[in-house]
Amino acid sequence: AQTVTQSQPEMSVQEAETVTLSCTYDTSENNYYLFWYKQPPSRQMILVIRQEAYKQQNATENRFSVNFQKAAKSFSLKISDSQLGDTAMYFCAFSQGGSEKLVFGKGTKLTVNP
Amino acid sequence: GAGVSQSPSNKVTEKGKDVELRCDPISGHTALYWYRQRLGQGLEFLIYFQGNSAPDKSGLPSDRFSAERTGESVSTLTIQRTQQEDSAVYLCASSPFNYGYTFGSGTRLTVV
Repeated sequence: AQTVTQSQPEMSVQEAETVTLSCTYDTSENNYYLFWYKQPPSRQMILVIRQEAYKQQNATENRFSVNFQKAAKSFSLKISDSQLGDTAMYFCAFSQGGSEKLVFGKGTKLTVNP
Repeated sequence: GAGVSQSPSNKVTEKGKDVELRCDPISGHTALYWYRQRLGQGLEFLIYFQGNSAPDKSGLPSDRFSAERTGESVSTLTIQRTQQEDSAVYLCASSPFNYGYTFGSGTRLTVV
């Protein structure tokens, strides 16, 4: 069974600085998808970024980028120029190719301090 | 509508009662999912509907839990004889195949 591990229950960062959230996963599959979701206090889950395992290039969305290390089964999220609105729970998630069921990590609570 | 709509947003029920939670997916999204999020925890998969295929019910925790979906439209998650451990936020999401989900805002269920 696939598992997703987020080893940092809580993190904090100063506004305008950069922070990296860690995620590792375990799978025997070669084709799969990885996601980072943000959940603010409103509890709405918002897709931050998505990576297909067959793509070697790391995904980027504005201030958000990932470091995808397939051999190490690592998928970290880097947030640059942190903003107060980035304060939220961040969940790493895995989806097996061809199957849409998402497996989530337990989340990292990120606080951006002014 | 523009997003995934869930109702009610909050539900308080007495132990032993049945509850129904509703999800309206984004029009045209063939896949629909239910997840449970206990306080301070990640999301647990419950059930997955994809078009007219048989649903993947592998995440339902007990036979008190069931879900239905009419075509590619509304879904209802039913919990019978609710227990206190059923207290959680129940999140619904829909997706066009293999692209990533859009989540609703969830239903917070409190069993007293």
